[in-house]
Amino acid sequence: GIQVEQSPPDLILQEGANSTLRCNFSDSVNNLQWFHQNPWGQLINLFYIPSGTKQNGRLSATTVATERYSLLYISSSQTTDSGVYFCAVDQSYSGAGSYQLTFGKGTKLSVIP
Amino acid sequence: GAGVSQSPSNKVTEKGKDVELRCDPISGHTALYWYRQSLGQGLEFLIYFQGNSAPDKSGLPSDRFSAERTGGSVSTLTIQRTQQEDSAVYLCASSLASHLGSYNEQFFGPGTRLTVL
Repeated sequence: GIQVEQSPPDLILQEGANSTLRCNFSDSVNNLQWFHQNPWGQLINLFYIPSGTKQNGRLSATTVATERYSLLYISSSQTTDSGVYFCAVDQSYSGAGSYQLTFGKGTKLSVIP
Repeated sequence: GAGVSQSPSNKVTEKGKDVELRCDPISGHTALYWYRQSLGQGLEFLIYFQGNSAPDKSGLPSDRFSAERTGGSVSTLTIQRTQQEDSAVYLCASSLASHLGSYNEQFFGPGTRLTVL
C-alpha cells in the first residue's frame, strides 16, 4: 500500500517562530488532508489540499502532487498550536478500494512561551 | 450544524466482555469510516460504509470485530470477547463522498477511549 512519511517527528519552537512540516507519499493520491490533533485527542481539519496552495490565517499548505509531497507552514506560532499534526491521503480514484485515509505518523509540535 | 458525535467517550471493560461503540455522522454524509489509534500502530483504518453497505472491511483486525450502519446514519462498532490489545481510541469519521475519485474531505468525531483490563 501507499506509504506516508512525515518530518520532522518532533519539533520544539519558541513562541513567534515559523516552521515547515513535510509530508511525502509514495504514490498518486486523490485526496490529501492535514489535521491538528489537540491535547484532548480531537482531530481538527486544517486543509483539504490534493494539489495547489491554500492559506488560512497563520497556516498555509502546498501540495505538489507530481512530486508527491505536501508542506504545512505555520507562521508566528502560538502555544495553542501545540499538538500533533497529521497528513493523510486516499487513493480512491485508482481503484485501490475505498476512500480510506492512510495517515503518516505525525509531527509532534511543542510551542514554548 | 453538528459535527460527528461518538459515545461513550470512555469505556473500561474486562477482558472477554463484548463492547459496542456508537457513531453519529454529520447529517447528509453518505460515507462513514471507523479508524483506530493506538500508541504502537498510529492511526489505522478499520471499515468504510457507503450508505448501509460496507464495501471495504479490509482493516478489521479479526472476526471479533464487526460493524453495522442503519438508516444510512448511525453506526455501531462491536468488539466481541475483548482482548487487552484492543485497548485504543476508536475514531469515527464521515464525508460526502459518493463515488470513487470524488471530493472526500473526512471529518472526525472525538473518539471513544477503550481500555480492556
